[in-house]
Amino acid sequence: QSVLTQPPSASGTPGQRVAISCSGSMSNIGSNNVNWYQQFPGTAPQLLIFRNDQRPSGVPARFSASKSGTSVSLAISELQSEDEADYYCSAWDDSLNGYVFGTGTAVSVL
Amino acid sequence: QVHLVASGGGVVQPGSSLRLSCTTSGFIFVRHGMHWVRQAPGRGLEWVALILNDGRVKYYGGSVKGRFTISRDNSKSTLYLQMNSLRGEDSAVYYCARDLGPSARESWFDPWGQGTLVTVSS
Repeated sequence: QSVLTQPPSASGTPGQRVAISCSGSMSNIGSNNVNWYQQFPGTAPQLLIFRNDQRPSGVPARFSASKSGTSVSLAISELQSEDEADYYCSAWDDSLNGYVFGTGTAVSVL
Repeated sequence: QVHLVASGGGVVQPGSSLRLSCTTSGFIFVRHGMHWVRQAPGRGLEWVALILNDGRVKYYGGSVKGRFTISRDNSKSTLYLQMNSLRGEDSAVYYCARDLGPSARESWFDPWGQGTLVTVSS
């Protein structure tokens, strides 16, 4: 019952650029900051992007994000094999009075 | 170094109760809100609950409201999740995560604990 919609998968070859979309509504993305999390198989998620476009220390500059209206996008430039993971967007939802996550996107490197 | 360790998971029957714990270290616990997030096997992330730093304000996801209770003991730097009336759809890995940000709706989760598995089955 996710209220944020992401494509189930995305892929690219090493060195390519991959973009992942996350679509919501005015009650969540349209009104609040969006965060992105990266999750490798069998491990806990980790913060990738916060406050729409901010990278925590240690996250490579290859990862960037942007926001427009009720949608956001995560871009991975210069794709590397170690970027294979699941990616989730998340935001506060004013109608639900809580956080919501995207449906998740599995990124594979061909 | 910040550490969060979730524990208390196990196999329980439908309708029963279970209490999860999240022990923390490496940061000033009383200064941060704390979250529970769960992930059913092979599925995506679902936010469960948030408790603010003083323990008085709590928020819940719709699927657990009225059945789960989030709490904390600031003297022990420990977060809890009391889960009652458990259902099969509550089966998941439960992660605890530290809240960073100036308010409940302007936050992000970092870091996350390793998770504890809850299986609800007869």
